[in-house]
Amino acid sequence: GAVVSQHPSRVICKSGTSVKIECRSLDFQATTMFWYRQFPKKSLMLMATSNEGSKATYEQGVEKDKFLINHASLTLSTLTVTSAHPEDSSFYICSASPATSATYNEQFFGPGTRLTVL
Amino acid sequence: RKEVEQDPGPFNVPEGATVAFNCTYSNSASQSFFWYRQDCRKEPKLLMSVYSSGNEDGRFTAQLNRASQYISLLIRDSKLSDSATYLCVVNPQSGGSYIPTFGRGTSLIVHP
Repeated sequence: GAVVSQHPSRVICKSGTSVKIECRSLDFQATTMFWYRQFPKKSLMLMATSNEGSKATYEQGVEKDKFLINHASLTLSTLTVTSAHPEDSSFYICSASPATSATYNEQFFGPGTRLTVL
Repeated sequence: RKEVEQDPGPFNVPEGATVAFNCTYSNSASQSFFWYRQDCRKEPKLLMSVYSSGNEDGRFTAQLNRASQYISLLIRDSKLSDSATYLCVVNPQSGGSYIPTFGRGTSLIVHP
């Protein structure tokens, strides 16, 4: 159990276009999902916390108008990179915790989306 | 001081060796602790949760020391397939919600 999917797994786009990444919890409900970015050989960087039915909470330095997050249901969160530029090229990963995970808050990660902006 | 610190390594060990990683955290209000494994260009996968009493899963043993604010991961009888980056994750509790904090990861290379 506790499977998280992400789509697409890889995307190549031209500078200036917007890219939408979907994160789904397949066999559990997740009131909270997290979006991370990881550059090559660097650690995961939390971008934002996505809460179902409310606005996302962004980490310092992450532009909320650039990275639009929508958490429309308990099983789906989307990240839209608007007007993407080459410096946005990165590995984007989402994670989710089962709503029933009371104490230990285990996170399960999606397989990631590799974004390349030309 | 960073919230969660790990020795980046790499730890280069032969097959069959025992290797231990430590991870220190600065927030004493931290509530839950995990070790994740991340292979190159892949997503992190949960390896094990870390309980106050310590826990073991096969060749892997995790320990928590709240007084000194560190967690450890011990890998016995290392296999080539254990080569990966091991991430320490600490969840502080804040107002009913939590923001997971990742260490930078410790790289392990197991060689024949």
